[in-house]
Amino acid sequence: AQSVTQLDSQVPVFEEAPVELRCNYSSSVSVYLFWYVQYPNQGLQLLLKYLSGSTLVESINGFEAEFNKSQTSFHLRKPSVHISDTAEYFCAVRKGGSQGNLIFGKGTKLSVKP
Amino acid sequence: EAGVVQSPRYKIIEKKQPVAFWCNPISGHNTLYWYRQNLGQGPELLIRYENEEAVDDSQLPKDRFSAERLKGVDSTLKIQPAELGDSAVYLCASSPSGGNANTIYFGEGSWLTVV
Repeated sequence: AQSVTQLDSQVPVFEEAPVELRCNYSSSVSVYLFWYVQYPNQGLQLLLKYLSGSTLVESINGFEAEFNKSQTSFHLRKPSVHISDTAEYFCAVRKGGSQGNLIFGKGTKLSVKP
Repeated sequence: EAGVVQSPRYKIIEKKQPVAFWCNPISGHNTLYWYRQNLGQGPELLIRYENEEAVDDSQLPKDRFSAERLKGVDSTLKIQPAELGDSAVYLCASSPSGGNANTIYFGEGSWLTVV
């Protein structure tokens, strides 16, 4: 069975500083990996996903994540954060193939301070 | 294009009362999910539909929870009777059929408080 561990429940950071949100997964089969973002009082929005190919994936708002198979990690990074990036970020894993559900981590709250 | 629509957004009920949540998925999405998100936790799957068929309801507490997806479009999730521990956000999501590479799109959630 798949599982996801997000190592930090809260990450405070100053505006324009770099940030890394950590995510590790466990699975005995190939997986697809996702990062979702949840702004206050809203649903989840897909930020980026890794399916295959290049291990570095990027989102349209400056976030990127790198799939590392040997370390079973999919950490999310941004070189310079904005106040508007304040939200909760969820890493999720789904078994490759045609069946299986999306399994979420517990989330990391990113707080960007001026 | 309209996203996943849920109602009501917020609901406060007394324990032992019934409650129902409604979901309209993105047009053309055959797969529909109900997730529950407890405070400070990630979402957890309750039930997944492929068209009208519930293909995974292993995490649905069937003694008090029920769901239906008539005609393979809209879906309703019901709790009867509600307990204090049911306070959570109930998220509906949908995706196209055809594999786990497809993105799952979430609604804004129905926030339930049981008092």
